[in-house]
Amino acid sequence: SQKIEQNSEALNIQEGKTATLTCNYTNYSPAYLQWYRQDPGRGPVFLLLIRENEKEKRKERLKVTFDTTLKQSLFHITASQPADSATYLCALDATGGSYIPTFGRGTSLIVHP
Amino acid sequence: EPEVTQTPSHQVTQMGQEVILRCVPISNHLYFYWYRQILGQKVEFLVSFYNNEISEKSEIFDDQFSVERPDGSNFTLKIRSTKLEDSAMYFCASSATSGDNTDTQYFGPGTRLTVL
Repeated sequence: SQKIEQNSEALNIQEGKTATLTCNYTNYSPAYLQWYRQDPGRGPVFLLLIRENEKEKRKERLKVTFDTTLKQSLFHITASQPADSATYLCALDATGGSYIPTFGRGTSLIVHP
Repeated sequence: EPEVTQTPSHQVTQMGQEVILRCVPISNHLYFYWYRQILGQKVEFLVSFYNNEISEKSEIFDDQFSVERPDGSNFTLKIRSTKLEDSAMYFCASSATSGDNTDTQYFGPGTRLTVL
């Protein structure tokens, strides 16, 4: 069955460093992959989308890579700030051409001042 | 900036009671969605709605659930007879255009449903 894996352990880093979060998937051939940010008690906020034929996408301090051979996406936040502390969700399109994203459980990022 | 709003922010109900969760999507959006997130778990899709009908639904969305767009602004999720396992955060989302897989979904702040 399809599976999306994100590191369940929180990632703790110092302010100013680059945070790197990982999303692995199995039994999927997604057409695209999305990253969302979720703060406690709030709804997900869309950050970036990358298509299967794109290797890398950037937006300000954010960078996403997508390796369909490794079945992995990496999400980087450069020059991290305490305000970046949140849970980051990876989402893939569902199988069968559905436009509905299927979410991973997310990884918590804590940026220490 | 336009945003999706949801009411109430927290709903407490007794098992077996009906609840209606309300959402006001972004005004020019055409596609509407409900998701739920059980505490500590992942966000799960329930249903999508376009042109006054359900376009997709998950296996979670059984006969106890229904959705409605009663007027030009509101989008509601009804749970007819709540169960303890319905306790979760319920998120409404909307997107602008054709439901293309690149179309961004904007999520509301959620309604926390507690079933006692």
